[in-house]
Amino acid sequence: QVQLQESGPGLVKPSETLSLTCTVSGGSINSFYWSWIRQSPGKGLEWLGYIYYSGSTDYSPSLKSRLTISLDTSKNQFSLRLSSVTAADTAVYYCARNQLLPLDVFNHWGQGTMVTVSS
Amino acid sequence: EIVLTQSPGTLSLSPGERATLSCRASQSVRSNHLAWYQQKPGQAPRPLMFGASLRATGIPDRFSGSGSGTDFTLTISRVEPEDFAVYYCQQYGGSPITFGQGTRLEIK
Repeated sequence: QVQLQESGPGLVKPSETLSLTCTVSGGSINSFYWSWIRQSPGKGLEWLGYIYYSGSTDYSPSLKSRLTISLDTSKNQFSLRLSSVTAADTAVYYCARNQLLPLDVFNHWGQGTMVTVSS
Repeated sequence: EIVLTQSPGTLSLSPGERATLSCRASQSVRSNHLAWYQQKPGQAPRPLMFGASLRATGIPDRFSGSGSGTDFTLTISRVEPEDFAVYYCQQYGGSPITFGQGTRLEIK
């Protein structure tokens, strides 16, 4: 059974870069599409983007200028970097595995990690 | 971007009653690529349905999905105590993927 676990700082200062890592266990990252989703009280669930094991990506247009998703196959991990953060980026961040397609249902989720943007 | 509007915002029912949750899209969802999730406090969303009407692995048959185009429904035939939670719809027919704002199913 594949499992995902997010890790990273819980507090980030405004204007800095938010960095999170998702570690995949119970399966190889060398297949499937891998996504980041966040959930905030103000905006609900928001898809951020995905990466394929080949390295191809797609990002939400609203975040495209600030977001980078990458992967490290040797560590079975993929990561998120969100630059120039503001309080609006405060949310629970989830990593997830797509069922099969680039745009798809998310059938495996991490437990989520809370990130607060504050000075 | 496809906007998903869920109704009602809150649904108050007693165990054993039938629950009907609605998800309306601002434009047609390609290939009925519409999913439903259940979320309980402190947990990640759990997939219930995909392709509008296909149950995800391990989901009991009291959950069913229907609809096409812009109007979709999640039905729980007889609500069990463990079903009280928040339910979200998600469209994956086009980028960006979008979610509805959720329907809270609460105990009456």
